[in-house]
Formats: sequence, C-alpha cells, structure tokens
Amino acid sequence: GENVEQHPSTLSVQEGDSAVIKCTYSDSASNYFPWYKQELGKRPQLIIDIRSNVGEKKDQRIAVTLNKTAKHFSLHITETQPEDSAVYFCAASGPYGQNFVFGPGTRFSVL
Amino acid sequence: DTAVSQTPKYLVTQMGNDKSIKCEQNLGHDTMYWYKQDSKKFLKIMFSYNNKELIINETVPNRFSPKSPDKAHLNLHINSLELGDSAVYFCASSQAQDAFFGQGTRLTVV
Repeated sequence: GENVEQHPSTLSVQEGDSAVIKCTYSDSASNYFPWYKQELGKRPQLIIDIRSNVGEKKDQRIAVTLNKTAKHFSLHITETQPEDSAVYFCAASGPYGQNFVFGPGTRFSVL
Repeated sequence: DTAVSQTPKYLVTQMGNDKSIKCEQNLGHDTMYWYKQDSKKFLKIMFSYNNKELIINETVPNRFSPKSPDKAHLNLHINSLELGDSAVYFCASSQAQDAFFGQGTRLTVV
C-alpha cells in the first residue's frame, strides 16, 4: 500500500520568513497530492492540491511542487503570518480516491 | 448546510462497552473514509468504502467495523472498547479525490 513520509515534524519560523515542508510517497500509481491544514481543535481542511500532470501550482502565498520521477512533493509558504500556525498534512491518493493516505504531519509555528 | 457531519462530537465511555459513531455526507460523494487521529496528531486511515467495496487497513483491530446503510452514510461501530481506542475519529468523503472531513468525534475510554 501507499506510504507517505513528511519532513520536518516540527518547524518554527519568524513572521515574514518563508517555509518549506517536504513529502515523499511510495506508490507510483498515486496521482493526486493534496495539502491539508489543521488548526487546534478543528478538522483538517484542504488548502492546495496538485495532480500528477502538473509540476507546480501556486495560490497567493502558498505553492506546491511535484517531482513525479523522484516521488516527492513540497509545500512552500511565503511571507508567513501568525495565522499560518497549524499542523500541516500532505497526502497521496490514487485516481479513484482509493488509498487516501496522509503523512505524519508537520507542526508549524510562526513566531 | 454541513457537508460531512458526524455524531456525537464527544463520547466518554467505559472499557468493554460497545459504541457507534455516525457519519453522513450530503455531497453526493462515492467514497467515504474513517480516520483515527491519536494524541501525536497522526491521521491513520482505518477504512475506505466505495460503491460497496470496503478497503480495510490491516492494522485495524476487528473490534472496529464500518457499516454503510447507503451511499451517504458510513457509521463506525466499535466493540469491547479499550483505553488505547481513545482518540479523535474523523469521517471524510471524496469524489475522485478531494477529501472533506467531518468535525471529528473525540472518544475517551475510561
């Protein structure tokens, strides 16, 4: 089955800095890679996603890159703000939503 | 107009009891999931259910059983509850790929 690894497990930055969270996956059949943000006591919510036919996607201060050959993808956050503080999860999924597997999460703090 | 709703939000029960958590989605999605989030915040997939095909994470004890009366519902039944079952359980649904989560059920076994 799919296995998703995520690094770092914790990350702290100063307000205004940029941050990168990296994930790797194992199943070459996975073709959908979303990122979720979970604030304290709340449900995970989708913030950005990328499909395997695209190498990069950007939405305001966040961007995601995908290297399908190397089986890794990354979340980039620029001009970080205190409200960006949360746990971030990457995930990988097959073409029909099967094997929707999450990485272990990154506790992200903006100081 | 909650997209994915689960009940109850909080559940406190004694060891050995049997309990159920209900989940309903009004998005018309074909696939539903159950996840367990432990104290370390790991989101572990327990089950996925699509068109009556159940995919079980092999690490899930058989005390846990999903029940789907129809496409919009996937309930989670737990037998003989143990202390280690204490966690937040999330239901989610997806159509092709994006997953929408319910608000979670915090289960505490005492």
